[in-house]
Amino acid sequence: DTAVSQTPKYLVTQMGNDKSIKCEQNLGHDTMYWYKQDSKKFLKIMFSYNNKELIINETVPNRFSPKSPDKAHLNLHINSLELGDSAVYFCASSQEFRLAGGYNEQFFGPGTRLTVL
Amino acid sequence: SQQGEEDPQALSIQEGENATMNCSYKTSINNLQWYRQNSGRGLVHLILIRSNEREKHSGRLRVTLDTSKKSSSLLITASRAADTASYFCATDGDNAGNMLTFGGGTRLMVKP
Repeated sequence: DTAVSQTPKYLVTQMGNDKSIKCEQNLGHDTMYWYKQDSKKFLKIMFSYNNKELIINETVPNRFSPKSPDKAHLNLHINSLELGDSAVYFCASSQEFRLAGGYNEQFFGPGTRLTVL
Repeated sequence: SQQGEEDPQALSIQEGENATMNCSYKTSINNLQWYRQNSGRGLVHLILIRSNEREKHSGRLRVTLDTSKKSSSLLITASRAADTASYFCATDGDNAGNMLTFGGGTRLMVKP
């Protein structure tokens, strides 16, 4: 019954490695997102994606790339991991803004805590 | 400073008291939302208020919006220990992709 799920829940890896975090939503939503929450709990949007377009927050390094095999999945690939990438990453989804009548309530996954050593 | 800044950063109250959290933002918005995050969990949507609304209620929650001051407040009445969490405001602004901008959050502790 989980609406938005992420795997893994915890990820510990070495600097320089490449890793992926998976996200799936069963809500039938059109748009999915990735957020990064740092140690001070500040939550920052990284990507917004639907089947039409990918919107990238300009501050996100190009080592991060979202990949969507289908509408229900948006995976996050991270190349050449750095210490500063350590954070909790949240996936979220929502209906497409205009189709939802201007209500873009987002549903969040439980988060993936990434630790880069 | 960032869009959607909450004030105070931390708040500690006794069960039964009311908790008020404030949020300020910088750009024009379509709507403003409040989310709750329990420790170690994802965010949960609480309430959305549109830019043409001034006040909204949902159970023990009351949200106000003042677009002239670019500010919003979240009031939780008759607080309970289970309300202990971080509360974030989020604005959508004038951007493509439905992206929300979150503030730093208010960490609320309700003591039994």
